Amino acid sequence: DAGITQSPRHKVTETGTPVTLRCHQTENHRYMYWYRQDPGHGLRLIHYSYGVKDTDKGEVSDGYSVSRSKTEDFLLTLESATSSQTSVYFCAISETSGTDTQYFGPGTRLTVL
Amino acid sequence: GENVEQHPSTLSVQEGDSAVIKCTYSDSASNYFPWYKQELGKGPQLIIDIRSNVGEKKDQRIAVTLNKTAKHFSLHITETQPEDSAVYFCAAKDSNYQLIWGAGTKLIIKP
Repeated sequence: DAGITQSPRHKVTETGTPVTLRCHQTENHRYMYWYRQDPGHGLRLIHYSYGVKDTDKGEVSDGYSVSRSKTEDFLLTLESATSSQTSVYFCAISETSGTDTQYFGPGTRLTVL
Repeated sequence: GENVEQHPSTLSVQEGDSAVIKCTYSDSASNYFPWYKQELGKGPQLIIDIRSNVGEKKDQRIAVTLNKTAKHFSLHITETQPEDSAVYFCAAKDSNYQLIWGAGTKLIIKP
């Protein structure tokens, strides 16, 4: 298995609070991604990074921000959590973009009350 | 932008029978189509992929076919086994080189 960890694995928080999810990789892959997974929607890309301090938006980026200060770490922040952000969040990595295999972390289940 | 539709949402087959999951895509410029398998409580894992210059690809009991004219691709699993029970996702690479995912198919293998 690719060396990808996510923390925390489970979190319950209240509406309006900030939340930060962490993804850590040991593979030295250039690309890192944050997805959310909801029933009936498959996986939807939130943000991705193509290098240290290089990030871009995905299809559902509103309400989320990201940072990547080191190759191995990619942080996802919900500035003010809402109930619509209750979801399972997956981090993924790949050596290149496009046709390269994406390796996924174990996921973080976030509940916003 | 790219849109991917996946059917069926749930598929139940008898152990030993074949299973077929179908996806359609909208962007004729898409040229990469992976399939991922997600087991309960885990992240998705690539099981097979196909590029647009190929019509079919096989790997043991699984195969993927691509029809570029009709803009659809399918996953075929033969001689299904209990360990094939999982959720399967198709995806297509969009013009920004990112993957657009189908909604998933829950495959149930009945003993």
